[in-house]
Amino acid sequence: SQQGEEDPQALSIQEGENATMNCSYKTSINNLQWYRQNSGRGLVHLILIRSNEREKHSGRLRVTLDTSKKSSSLLITASRAADTASYFCATASNAGGTSYGKLTFGQGTILTVHP
Amino acid sequence: EPEVTQTPSHQVTQMGQEVILRCVPISNHLYFYWYRQILGQKVEFLVSFYNNEISEKSEIFDDQFSVERPDGSNFTLKIRSTKLEDSAMYFCASGWRRESYEQYFGPGTRLTVT
Repeated sequence: SQQGEEDPQALSIQEGENATMNCSYKTSINNLQWYRQNSGRGLVHLILIRSNEREKHSGRLRVTLDTSKKSSSLLITASRAADTASYFCATASNAGGTSYGKLTFGQGTILTVHP
Repeated sequence: EPEVTQTPSHQVTQMGQEVILRCVPISNHLYFYWYRQILGQKVEFLVSFYNNEISEKSEIFDDQFSVERPDGSNFTLKIRSTKLEDSAMYFCASGWRRESYEQYFGPGTRLTVT
């Protein structure tokens, strides 16, 4: 698999349910970020978790990071129809100072929340 | 809230033509990036730019591509001779610190090469 691989590729749930998306990566990271993209639109930054953090919350979002397993999860609680979008994880490498912030994105999870 | 802007939102060009995609990053940011997303695929890094020079580039960013920050506010991506496979959404992003902070993305320019 490639750096920043998400699963599932698609997730369909009912409004009010929780949505969990997972991301795996291969190399050492400085941080991992989650972005949201509505169809055909730009990327909106959701949350950033640093490599020395294990869990982070922002509103209805909860992100976990397990650097030993090189994986992260994004949980959206009490989902709404407006949460329908593609969600991407992106990693910023920890390349010994030679990285200039390049983000490596995964394929994304398409989340559909039915009203 | 400050935001990254990009123009045009959609550009249609013929194969072999030159295109310039424009971006205005957030004003106090120091690191600038271009990414692209081919329809249905993941977002791919093209190039990063810091201190008025390219700091990192991907294999995609070949001699047909160039970037410039001509006047301290605009950040441009030029494709010298477009190919059909250059058709994609191009995103500009900027950041204040390189690894430690999030990048702010513009809304993108959809480039269609015919």
